[in-house]
Amino acid sequence: KAGVTQTPRYLIKTRGQQVTLSCSPISGHRSVSWYQQTPGQGLQFLFEYFSETQRNKGNFPGRFSGRQFSNSRSEMNVSTLELGDSALYLCASSLGGYYNEQFFGPGTRLTVL
Amino acid sequence: ELKVEQNPLFLSMQEEKNYTIYCNYSTTSDRLYWYRQDPGKSLESLFVLLSNGAVKQEGRLMASLDTKARLSTLHITAAVHDLSATYFCAVDDRDTGNQFYFGTGTSLTVIP
Repeated sequence: KAGVTQTPRYLIKTRGQQVTLSCSPISGHRSVSWYQQTPGQGLQFLFEYFSETQRNKGNFPGRFSGRQFSNSRSEMNVSTLELGDSALYLCASSLGGYYNEQFFGPGTRLTVL
Repeated sequence: ELKVEQNPLFLSMQEEKNYTIYCNYSTTSDRLYWYRQDPGKSLESLFVLLSNGAVKQEGRLMASLDTKARLSTLHITAAVHDLSATYFCAVDDRDTGNQFYFGTGTSLTVIP
């Protein structure tokens, strides 16, 4: 069974630009969550999508947005990039029901210059 | 706000020694998850604990859950260098639609 995939794996952008990251969940998983990981703040929850609907949202500014498609694939977008957005962005998928174990993708390393 | 606290944050231990990582949480969740992260890598699921008193073991690692105390432990037996990594616990909260809340992580270094 294929795992969670994320593209791209590495990205370098400059301040003010925008970026779109993609996540393909494990087949059959309907929930996709996004996290930002930095050395200073640790793992921070961005948002979760379930069956194309945003079910939960973390405490991030509106520059961070996401969506989920009918095939459960998800994208997150960050507009007007800031230096502080440099981080490892992790996507995780789960069945979304009671058994909620999350399986993580390899992450996208975003560097903002 | 739901809090998940791990201690210690950093742990340096010698090979063949035993130690325990603690995870305290503030919600009434009865489900707890342990993950491992190697440097520069993603998170790997280690254990899923789904009820009070649950105990799971895999190799030199054993995890347990006490929902009444809101405490989970990850016990390391006879540590080896390969266990060096950062370990995270996480709970999900049904009140927030099963959102995951992660602890701060424990960075474990096993010294030969």
